Amino acid sequence: GAVVSQHPSRVICKSGTSVKIECRSLDFQATTMFWYRQFPKQSLMLMATSNEGSKATYEQGVEKDKFLINHASLTLSTLTVTSAHPEDSSFYICSASLEMDTQYFGPGTRLTVL
Amino acid sequence: AQSVSQHNHHVILSEAASLELGCNYSYGGTVNLFWYVQYPGQHLQLLLKYFSGDPLVKGIKGFEAEFIKSKFSFNLRKPSVQWSDTAEYFCAVSVTDSWGKLQFGAGTQVVVTP
Repeated sequence: GAVVSQHPSRVICKSGTSVKIECRSLDFQATTMFWYRQFPKQSLMLMATSNEGSKATYEQGVEKDKFLINHASLTLSTLTVTSAHPEDSSFYICSASLEMDTQYFGPGTRLTVL
Repeated sequence: AQSVSQHNHHVILSEAASLELGCNYSYGGTVNLFWYVQYPGQHLQLLLKYFSGDPLVKGIKGFEAEFIKSKFSFNLRKPSVQWSDTAEYFCAVSVTDSWGKLQFGAGTQVVVTP
């Protein structure tokens, strides 16, 4: 139980284009989903907290206009990287909260911007 | 500033050796504590968690952790490691009433040699 999937697993795009990453909780309903970014050899940095049906809450320093988050249902949240640039290349990981304060993580999406 | 510190970035040990990974946090209020593991090529998995009660917590795969409130520590232990324990281990903390937002430590890469 508590499986979270992400799609795609890896994506390569040209600079200036937008990329959408989906995060799904497969066997449970998640009122809260989180988006993280992980740089090579570093830890996960929380980007935003997404609650179903409401606007996402972004961490300090994260551009909300660049990283658009939509949490349209209890099983799906999307992250859209708009006008991507090479510095946005990273590993993006989502998680979903099943019970209070316990998060289950997706496998991550490797984004490479050329 | 709130932070989570993991003492070792890289640990190499032989099979059957004992493992202890340190984790300290700096939060003033009530916290929830987690250890996650990331096996090579896989997503983050929850090893164990502490919310309240017995400060000695047992998790999956023979791991345990002890919460010492006076030391702001939550160290992870395993008496006898196996080659399959080779992975990256992350300590994480959430503050009560923070919607479950996790602050991660930098991670410890553990390599177990046969």
